[in-house]
Amino acid sequence: DAMVIQNPRYQVTQFGKPVTLSCSQTLNHNVMYWYQQKSSQAPKLLFHYYDKDFNNEADTPDNFQSRRPNTSFCFLDIRSPGLGDAAMYLCATSRDRQFNEQFFGPGTRLTVL
Amino acid sequence: SQQGEEDPQALSIQEGENATMNCSYKTSINNLQWYRQNSGRGLVHLILIRSNEREKHSGRLRVTLDTSKKSSSLLITASRAADTASYFCATATYSGNTPLVFGKGTRLSVIA
Repeated sequence: DAMVIQNPRYQVTQFGKPVTLSCSQTLNHNVMYWYQQKSSQAPKLLFHYYDKDFNNEADTPDNFQSRRPNTSFCFLDIRSPGLGDAAMYLCATSRDRQFNEQFFGPGTRLTVL
Repeated sequence: SQQGEEDPQALSIQEGENATMNCSYKTSINNLQWYRQNSGRGLVHLILIRSNEREKHSGRLRVTLDTSKKSSSLLITASRAADTASYFCATATYSGNTPLVFGKGTRLSVIA
């Protein structure tokens, strides 16, 4: 089945230790998104790629970076995780940017010690 | 900025009852979508309703859209314990290349 895969499902890191979360998709969608979601809150869009075109949200901290080496894969790098970065990180894809439904992965739960 | 706002924030009902959640938004939209999120999981797309549609059905789900009031409602009929989840509305606007904007969600608890 076509799907969005996130690895790992659970990630524990130490304060200030860089961490990378990965996302892959078999849907061949043009757009890939990274969201941060804290408990009982709405998903907050960090950035998205339309093909190779990177789009950063204005309020996304510089601590968060992303890479999309090819259509299928997208990575979220947190350069120096703080306690406030502990959250669920959701990857999603869509065929185009504006009007289509988004397909989500299961998420990676990040814990910062 | 938050485009969609769901109401209520939390809802608790008995199994077999109907659940209604509302979403209000601020600007003109191309479509409005509803998603479900089970605890600790990703979001799952439920239904999309376009701005020229007024009502849409999918199984036990019924979505209405009133563009004059900038509001939508999601009705789940004959609810089951498995419907326990958070429900989010998301709006697709005509503004540039803005992706979907998600509301804060309604947490639904269905008690068996």
